[in-house]
Amino acid sequence: DQQVKQNSPSLSVQEGRISILNCDYTNSMFDYFLWYKKYPAEGPTFLISISSIKDKNEDGRFTVFLNKSAKHLSLHIVPSQPGDSAVYFCAANAGGTSYGKLTFGQGTILTVHP
Amino acid sequence: GAVVSQHPSWVICKSGTSVKIECRSLDFQATTMFWYRQFPKQSLMLMATSNEGSKATYEQGVEKDKFLINHASLTLSTLTVTSAHPEDSSFYICSAEQGNTIYFGEGSWLTVV
Repeated sequence: DQQVKQNSPSLSVQEGRISILNCDYTNSMFDYFLWYKKYPAEGPTFLISISSIKDKNEDGRFTVFLNKSAKHLSLHIVPSQPGDSAVYFCAANAGGTSYGKLTFGQGTILTVHP
Repeated sequence: GAVVSQHPSWVICKSGTSVKIECRSLDFQATTMFWYRQFPKQSLMLMATSNEGSKATYEQGVEKDKFLINHASLTLSTLTVTSAHPEDSSFYICSAEQGNTIYFGEGSWLTVV
């Protein structure tokens, strides 16, 4: 049972445009959501997170939106840069559990073309 | 910044043998570490929570006798895949908790032939 889903395996965007990566979840116990970026041969690195008490969190070019009623979150990257090309993972944490207990989506490969 | 290192990055072993993967927090102490596994085209799946000085907590469906976890110090957790079989071939990755921040290792590719 996939509790966190990233339905788009890949996304291709032109440099300077907006990249929108989507994530859906099914478990109502999730109350903290994170986005990670992963380059080949490296571990995932933290990008941005959002608590369920918020619907938006912004950090520079990265903004995460949370729609709790739809159990959907999205990551917006504006403007997209070639260096953003990587695999992006959405992850969720359930309240009352350790921060490190994460449920991941399958990942979306983002390619930003110059 | 904080770094978590895994070793080896790649390992090939024969079916029936055991293989050990190390996860080290290089510049901080981690009382809690986590082990994940990722099969091709699937998501990272949590296998177990490794607690320093105590037994690991395994997720449902993960065989504790097959995947031995030892967290003997505040900077080292090891995962031993015992009696490995080809279906154990996967990408294994650890993470370490520092406060409310999680740092991941680089991952280890295991191929069982």
